[in-house]
Amino acid sequence: GEDVEQSLFLSVREGDSSVINCTYTDSSSTYLYWYKQEPGAGLQLLTYIFSNMDMKQDQRLTVLLNKKDKHLSLRIADTQTGDSAIYFCAASKEGGFKTIFGAGTRLFVKA
Amino acid sequence: EAGVAQSPRYKIIEKRQSVAFWCNPISGHATLYWYQQILGQGPKLLIQFQNNGVVDDSQLPKDRFSAERLKGVDSTLKIQPAKLEDSAVYLCASSLGGLLSSYNEQFFGPGTRLTVL
Repeated sequence: GEDVEQSLFLSVREGDSSVINCTYTDSSSTYLYWYKQEPGAGLQLLTYIFSNMDMKQDQRLTVLLNKKDKHLSLRIADTQTGDSAIYFCAASKEGGFKTIFGAGTRLFVKA
Repeated sequence: EAGVAQSPRYKIIEKRQSVAFWCNPISGHATLYWYQQILGQGPKLLIQFQNNGVVDDSQLPKDRFSAERLKGVDSTLKIQPAKLEDSAVYLCASSLGGLLSSYNEQFFGPGTRLTVL
């Protein structure tokens, strides 16, 4: 079946940039998402990108999409301790159909 | 605007028992999703409803799991009988549009943490 893969851990120093990577297998994925999950909390949508775009910027967040390689990345500028969380990459078809999540990347931010 | 509500928040049962989870989506949202999130993994879609019809239940273990969305609003997910491997957080999400929408943001509830002993 289709799959979304992410590295499991990332550790950065406060103030540095964080880059979280993701690959997906379904070339018909229309939307790619980044969600944040903090301990004991639900999933929070951070940003998304449509498959015909290659970049999207939203304040400290930059999403890059390489559709040819089916590779997605999330860059967090000036990472803060409050950014420590699990970040999930997800892919879906039109209308949120067949949404598939990766296993999540746990981001540790050291003060 | 109220978010997605789920209950109970926690449930502990023994294997072979039955359990049911309830979800109340955001008012007016046509699409409702149930996900299973096992510890250390990402959420896995179990079933997706559009109004009161099922649009995808390909990953629902139908021998023991069932779900319904009566009147196209609230939904219940049932497990009968439960197995040890069903221990997970069950997340409900809802979105405004249906399959004909292009972008369809999902809003997640807090989840129900199930422990099967």
